[in-house]
Amino acid sequence: DSGVTQTPKHLITATGQRVTLRCSPRSGDLSVYWYQQSLDQGLQFLIQYYNGEERAKGNILERFSAQQFPDLHSELNLSSLELGDSALYFCASSVDGTTRNYGYTFGSGTRLTVV
Amino acid sequence: AQSVTQLGSHVSVSEGALVLLRCNYSSSVPPYLFWYVQYPNQGLQLLLKYTSAATLVKGINGFEAEFKKSETSFHLTKPSAHMSDAAEYFCAVSVFNQAGTALIFGKGTTLSVSS
Repeated sequence: DSGVTQTPKHLITATGQRVTLRCSPRSGDLSVYWYQQSLDQGLQFLIQYYNGEERAKGNILERFSAQQFPDLHSELNLSSLELGDSALYFCASSVDGTTRNYGYTFGSGTRLTVV
Repeated sequence: AQSVTQLGSHVSVSEGALVLLRCNYSSSVPPYLFWYVQYPNQGLQLLLKYTSAATLVKGINGFEAEFKKSETSFHLTKPSAHMSDAAEYFCAVSVFNQAGTALIFGKGTTLSVSS
């Protein structure tokens, strides 16, 4: 157990729907990162939050949004889902807002299947 | 822009043989580099990291990597492969900007170990 908790582990939904993925960072970590992993694109950085504020954006679609709450858990919202959104979505956390010294601690991911 | 390239999407070795997984980086500033391992149906686990201290970095499970600035490389090695090493391995580089940081991952290399 890495200490980063992601729920649900699996999610199957239909095209056009909206889902919410949840992540609780490791105790003491202030920063949360979201990644999408697919066979064709590999691991793509989506977005970073630090202590409730958005810090960095990667290849995140406009249909996707995220937020980090006061208790530091984070949610990734995916809307108007398409077949191509099927992927593994990982959350990672770090002590501070940088990867400079520590890298990340990853959760075990949420597997999203859009049918 | 910082990036990493992993040479070889699939590497096969026999048990007891040397493991060599290749990673080249591109960075305009001194890079911070990482190797992660992903076992089936699990999240990514940090193997080792280079943060501008010693150029030879030792990690978990007997893995090590050497930072070579002249070759812009950070190859991962293990003297003797075990069956349990079979997994996907990702090289990553830290990207910094004014807003925050993120890890940018390579496409990954799948390591197969045969008996």
